[in-house]
Amino acid sequence: EPEVTQTPSHQVTQMGQEVILRCVPISNHLYFYWYRQILGQKVEFLVSFYNNEISEKSEIFDDQFSVERPDGSNFTLKIRSTKLEDSAMYFCASRQGSPYGYTFGSGTRLTVV
Amino acid sequence: DQQVKQNSPSLSVQEGRISILNCDYTNSMFDYFLWYKKYPAEGPTFLISISSIKDKNEDGRFTVFLNKSAKHLSLHIVPSQPGDSAVYFCAASGRGNTPLVFGKGTRLSVIA
Repeated sequence: EPEVTQTPSHQVTQMGQEVILRCVPISNHLYFYWYRQILGQKVEFLVSFYNNEISEKSEIFDDQFSVERPDGSNFTLKIRSTKLEDSAMYFCASRQGSPYGYTFGSGTRLTVV
Repeated sequence: DQQVKQNSPSLSVQEGRISILNCDYTNSMFDYFLWYKKYPAEGPTFLISISSIKDKNEDGRFTVFLNKSAKHLSLHIVPSQPGDSAVYFCAASGRGNTPLVFGKGTRLSVIA
């Protein structure tokens, strides 16, 4: 069964450093998403991406965040200057078109120290 | 602003009995409702869904009920099995490319 692949599975970074979280969505999917889950809290929407541009973003997705789909297969989330409160599990998701067809990756655990 | 609420953070059920997980929502524009199951260190896995035009959807041991007037949905698992122990998230979205909105999750423990 096709999977959404995320790397790395765990990233530890110093506060103020830049991090790039990587995702390979399912190949024929058209819509791409980043979500995050701070420990013990709900899964929160960050950003959606369609047709090579951001289609929607949440209040969390401020100027420190950016997304790219540089080569038609990878989908990346960059945090320019990490803060302690960015520590969370970050999930990438993709879907082809159906509102039910979301597939999530296993997540990247980001720890900012 | 919690558009999707799961008011029970945890639930314990005996193996073989029914598990009922509840979810309430506030946004009347939601058209699609999904339940996800999540194990530690894994991403959410799709379990079952229902659209706003239906009031029930069944898939094996899993049934989702939707009460639109009450803005309430529930997931029934029967019979419950120890392997069902996980965190269950209710999620909803509107039409088009609106993103999924998740509840806080309910941790289900099925005791053998």
